[in-house]
Amino acid sequence: DTAVSQTPKYLVTQMGNDKSIKCEQNLGHDTMYWYKQDSKKFLKIMFSYNNKELIINETVPNRFSPKSPDKAHLNLHINSLELGDSAVYFCASTLRGGNEQFFGPGTRLTVL
Amino acid sequence: GDSVTQMEGPVTLSEEAFLTINCTYTATGYPSLFWYVQYPGEGLQLLLKATKADDKGSNKGFEATYRKETTSFHLEKGSVQVSDSAVYFCALSDKGGQNFVFGPGTRLSVLP
Repeated sequence: DTAVSQTPKYLVTQMGNDKSIKCEQNLGHDTMYWYKQDSKKFLKIMFSYNNKELIINETVPNRFSPKSPDKAHLNLHINSLELGDSAVYFCASTLRGGNEQFFGPGTRLTVL
Repeated sequence: GDSVTQMEGPVTLSEEAFLTINCTYTATGYPSLFWYVQYPGEGLQLLLKATKADDKGSNKGFEATYRKETTSFHLEKGSVQVSDSAVYFCALSDKGGQNFVFGPGTRLSVLP
């Protein structure tokens, strides 16, 4: 069984479009995250949700909007896509309390 | 705020060479410390962890010891293999689990 899954795995789109990436975890975790990894492999946290409530919102453009319909899902919607949004986006989850994070396989977003 | 510093890569070694990747951290309190590994085209996987001072984490021949006095968590392996080629991330989490910080990653290439 896949612990943290993301869809789609690849996403190629034009500038200006709106797109969504979905994330689901079946580990019973209460905290979920979105990270952006650039071409140099640097990981930057974007958002963190605990029990469907936003607890970390780093400096990201407001074109990015996370949505958590329940504890097992955290989706990322991106409006008006720009070239600089091209990256790999990772979803992760954890049980709050200092435990390790479990990562999804990533979504490679390419904006043309 | 909390931070993690890693040695800059890339690191290139011959098979069976000894590996050290340095990691130091800055944190208030006593965080948990982690090493994650990212193989090409995949998400991050937990490699090992340590939750208190002097703990040693180990897995797949890799080891790291939580050194409070030097605020370090260096990763070591006695004899690397080509299959160890990956990007390695040092990370910390505060005990509340609200703050999870990754280092910039170190790319390791092992040549046959």
